[in-house]
Order: sequence, then structure tokens, then C-alpha cells
Amino acid sequence: SQKIEQNSEALNIQEGKTATLTCNYTNYSPAYLQWYRQDPGRGPVFLLLIRENEKEKRKERLKVTFDTTLKQSLFHITASQPADSATYLCAPPTTGANNLFFGTGTRLTVIP
Amino acid sequence: EAGVAQSPRYKIIEKRQSVAFWCNPISGHATLYWYQQILGQGPKLLIQFQNNGVVDDSQLPKDRFSAERLKGVDSTLKIQPAKLEDSAVYLCASSLLTGGPYEQYFGPGTRLTVT
Repeated sequence: SQKIEQNSEALNIQEGKTATLTCNYTNYSPAYLQWYRQDPGRGPVFLLLIRENEKEKRKERLKVTFDTTLKQSLFHITASQPADSATYLCAPPTTGANNLFFGTGTRLTVIP
Repeated sequence: EAGVAQSPRYKIIEKRQSVAFWCNPISGHATLYWYQQILGQGPKLLIQFQNNGVVDDSQLPKDRFSAERLKGVDSTLKIQPAKLEDSAVYLCASSLLTGGPYEQYFGPGTRLTVT
């Protein structure tokens, strides 16, 4: 069955540095992958979508890569700020592609 | 544009009691999802509707959970009877359509505590 692993439960970085979050998937090859942000007490918010034929996608300080050979997506936040502190969820589609399969998330804390 | 609305925001019940959650999706969104999110985990899909039809309910514990979306707009999720392990946040989301890379819009969730 499909499996999603996000690199760690928690990541602490200094303000101004680049945060890199990892999403590894096994047992299938998704056609795309979405990333969401979730703040405490709130529902997830969509950030970026990357398709299998796209190597990289950018939005302001965010960058996502998709390596179908390594079966991995990397999510980068450059010039990180304390306001970027949140849990980030990786979500490829399920094998039936009708809905999403969410990873457990990585909790990012940006230290001032 | 109004977001996904959910109520109540919080609910505390005793085990074996019943509870219902309500969701109103974004206007015009055909697809509605109910997720369960246990602390420290990602959202897990319970049921997905396309208009008023069920697309996927494979992970819905049908002996105690039920959901409906009668007019293809708002939806209700019910648990009867509740168990301690049902304590979680119940998230409702909607998307324009299904079967493609459509982003999902989430409501704030209902935090359920079963004692």
C-alpha cells in the first residue's frame, strides 16, 4: 500500500535561514503532489501543487521540487521568518487519484 | 468568497453518546470531504461526496459513523455511539471537482473530546 514519510516530526531553524522539509513516498508513482500548511487550531491551507513533469515550482519564498527517480519531494522556505512556524503537510493523491493522502507533517519552528 | 463553515467548533461528550457535526462548503464546490485528524497525525479521509453521491467511504467506520449530503450542498457527519478513540479534530473540506489535482479548502474543524 502507498506510504508517505515526512522527514521529521519537528524542525527548528534560525530566522533568515532556509528550511528544507522532505516528503518520501513508496509503492506508487503519483502524478502530482500538494503541500499544505496547518496552524494550531486551524484547518490546512493549500500552498503549492507540483506535477510529475515539473522539476521545480516557486511561489514567493517557497520552492518545491519533485524527483520521481528518488520518489521524493523537497519543500524549501527561504529567508525564513517566525511567521512561517507551522506544520507542513505533504499530500500526493491516493492510488485511485480521487482524493489526497496526507503525510503526518513536519512541525517547523523558526527561532528569532 | 466565504470559506468552509463548520459547527460546532468544540464538543465534549461521554462515550456511548451520539454527536453530529455540520459543514457548509464553498459555494459551487461539487466535492466535499470529511477528515479525522488525531493529534500528531495528518488528516485521514473518512468520506468523500461528489454532489450528493458518495465517491469514497472505504475508511468510514460504518458501524458507528454516518454522513449525508442530501441536497449536494451542506453535509452532516454523525457518530453513534462514540468511543474514546474517536477523540480527534473532524475537518471538512471542499474542492471544485474530484478526480484531479484540485486544491482542497478546509474549514476550521470541530474538536471532539470523548470522556
